Amino acid sequence: NAGVTQTPKFQVLKTGQSMTLQCAQDMNHNSMYWYRQDPGMGLRLIYYSASEGTTDKGEVPNGYNVSRLNKREFSLRLESAAPSQTSVYFCASDRPSSEAFFGQGTRLTVV
Amino acid sequence: AQSVTQLDSHVSVSEGTPVLLRCNYSSSYSPSLFWYVQHPNKGLQLLLKYTSAATLVKGINGFEAEFKKSETSFHLTKPSAHMSDAAEYFCVVSTGGTYKYIFGTGTRLKVLA
Repeated sequence: NAGVTQTPKFQVLKTGQSMTLQCAQDMNHNSMYWYRQDPGMGLRLIYYSASEGTTDKGEVPNGYNVSRLNKREFSLRLESAAPSQTSVYFCASDRPSSEAFFGQGTRLTVV
Repeated sequence: AQSVTQLDSHVSVSEGTPVLLRCNYSSSYSPSLFWYVQHPNKGLQLLLKYTSAATLVKGINGFEAEFKKSETSFHLTKPSAHMSDAAEYFCVVSTGGTYKYIFGTGTRLKVLA
């Protein structure tokens, strides 16, 4: 029972490089989320997808794009990485009236 | 608008003593409330949740929380701390609004031997 799976677990990028963070869930959830976690700030929502084919901006969307590839997969893309995007990124999913289930996180460093 | 305030950024307790992690929330509607735990370099794991049933909620690993509407609080407690409880704890509120889940800034619990 995998739950929410994120890849990669760790990544170091140079400023200006691009990359895509992958997320997949096997719980048949409609909604999926991308958060970033920074010290002392809790988790902040970057983008979310309420259902397959829809995406919406969250609290901190600048510098990111997302794709809801199908019901299972929700990817986060950094087109031109900046040091301010150094963070831990979490993907989550849920169904109506339930709690969110989180992946193990991706630790990204931009140098 | 919803918000969550975790009143302590760090809490230290001795092993075997009670744990109290404080959380206050603000919500225009009847909220769902959650506590998550994050061990070092791990993801977030649900400890317990309140969804308008019993106001005293029991969770995993001996944790419980009481929803007090009059005080807009949802404090997390445990009678006796264990070394394995050392982690960061997040209080989360949800009313199903645009951002669905609003996270507190976290409380780091240290357990002293």
